[in-house]
Amino acid sequence: AQSVTQPDIHITVSEGASLELRCNYSYGATPYLFWYVQSPGQGLQLLLKYFSGDTLVQGIKGFEAEFKRSQSSFNLRKPSVHWSDAAEYFCAVGVRYNNDMRFGAGTRLTVKP
Amino acid sequence: ETGVTQSPTHLIKTRGQQVTLRCSSQSGHNTVSWYQQALGQGPQFIFQYYREEENGRGNFPPRFSGLQFPNYSSELNVNALELDDSALYLCASSLGQLNSGNTIYFGEGSWLTVV
Repeated sequence: AQSVTQPDIHITVSEGASLELRCNYSYGATPYLFWYVQSPGQGLQLLLKYFSGDTLVQGIKGFEAEFKRSQSSFNLRKPSVHWSDAAEYFCAVGVRYNNDMRFGAGTRLTVKP
Repeated sequence: ETGVTQSPTHLIKTRGQQVTLRCSSQSGHNTVSWYQQALGQGPQFIFQYYREEENGRGNFPPRFSGLQFPNYSSELNVNALELDDSALYLCASSLGQLNSGNTIYFGEGSWLTVV
């Protein structure tokens, strides 16, 4: 069955430091992969998505993610974190035949001044 | 701003009652999905409607039901509310399905508390 694991429940980084959030998925075919961000009390905003092609995907707000089939991973990166990036980040894998996306449990990002 | 609007934003219900949540999808989007997000967890897929018919369902009991209207707006109905139904309910709309390369846009959700 499709599933997503986000190993880090909570990460704290200093403003200006680089960031990497981990995501591992389980899926029998080439997956559709997504990263969403959720600020407190808000809905989900799409950061980026991978459907096919180039395995390095660029998103909004300076984020990027790399699909590594051999490692079943889709890690999210940002070279320099801003205080406004503090939020909950969710990785998701899409089931191909409908809009059923399986989400990880999320990683909460705290940014230190 | 995704263009997906949900109402109400917050509500409190008593165990055993029924609730209806509403969603207005982004203009032109013919596919609506509903997700349940319990506190501290990722969203879980409830079901999806495409052109007014349910065409995908997650692991939720039949007391969770829905409707999609000709203008593609949607309702989520939950009967016989249980305490564990307390969650953020997210509506998401898209123009078609994921396997066509479409992006899903989420609303800000309806917070349901069951007491």
